[in-house]
Amino acid sequence: GAGVSQTPSNKVTEKGKYVELRCDPISGHTALYWYRQSLGQGPEFLIYFQGTGAADDSGLPNDRFFAVRPEGSVSTLKIQRTERGDSAVYLCASSLTGRGRDEQFFGPGTRLTVL
Amino acid sequence: AQSVTQLGSHVSVSEGALVLLRCNYSSSVPPYLFWYVQYPNQGLQLLLKYTSAATLVKGINGFEAEFKKSETSFHLTKPSAHMSDAAEYFCAVSAGAQTSGSRLTFGEGTQLTVNP
Repeated sequence: GAGVSQTPSNKVTEKGKYVELRCDPISGHTALYWYRQSLGQGPEFLIYFQGTGAADDSGLPNDRFFAVRPEGSVSTLKIQRTERGDSAVYLCASSLTGRGRDEQFFGPGTRLTVL
Repeated sequence: AQSVTQLGSHVSVSEGALVLLRCNYSSSVPPYLFWYVQYPNQGLQLLLKYTSAATLVKGINGFEAEFKKSETSFHLTKPSAHMSDAAEYFCAVSAGAQTSGSRLTFGEGTQLTVNP
């Protein structure tokens, strides 16, 4: 079946602009995660959704970052007033139930470049 | 809180040689542990996971890892390296049975190079 998909695959924007990154999880997965991976680093957790609600948003770096999952499926990560330090690969993952033992399936990521 | 340390950001082996990638973890609760592989321009793929059953875990592509609580380690091994194993490998920990919906905390990764 289809895996996790993310669009766009690449996004180049200018400092101060607003961007939206989309994640389409595996059908039937109730849990959805966003991570950010900077060059040469491991992924860092941003936010976790269980269904439509954000169960853990403690990884969001500041209030410029926001994410939604209105129907419990597709999720959008929104970044306002982008800064050069936001440049990274943004990864989305989904899992069946959200338990700690569940495998998280990752998408290919969106590479965000802020000029 | 959880953390992961991967010793060696770069490991180089010859084709056919043993692969050993080191991972040590810290967790305030019994952990679940994962190894993921990332090929260039691809998403992370699960190699194997430890979820408190057998301490020796076998995964895909001939990889295995052993959970050692006394050493807080979960090292990844493969008896004989293949050229196709060249990739970046990440060890990760989640909070375990006490917490549902647990996020993953990743190490910084180890880049494996396989020489012909």
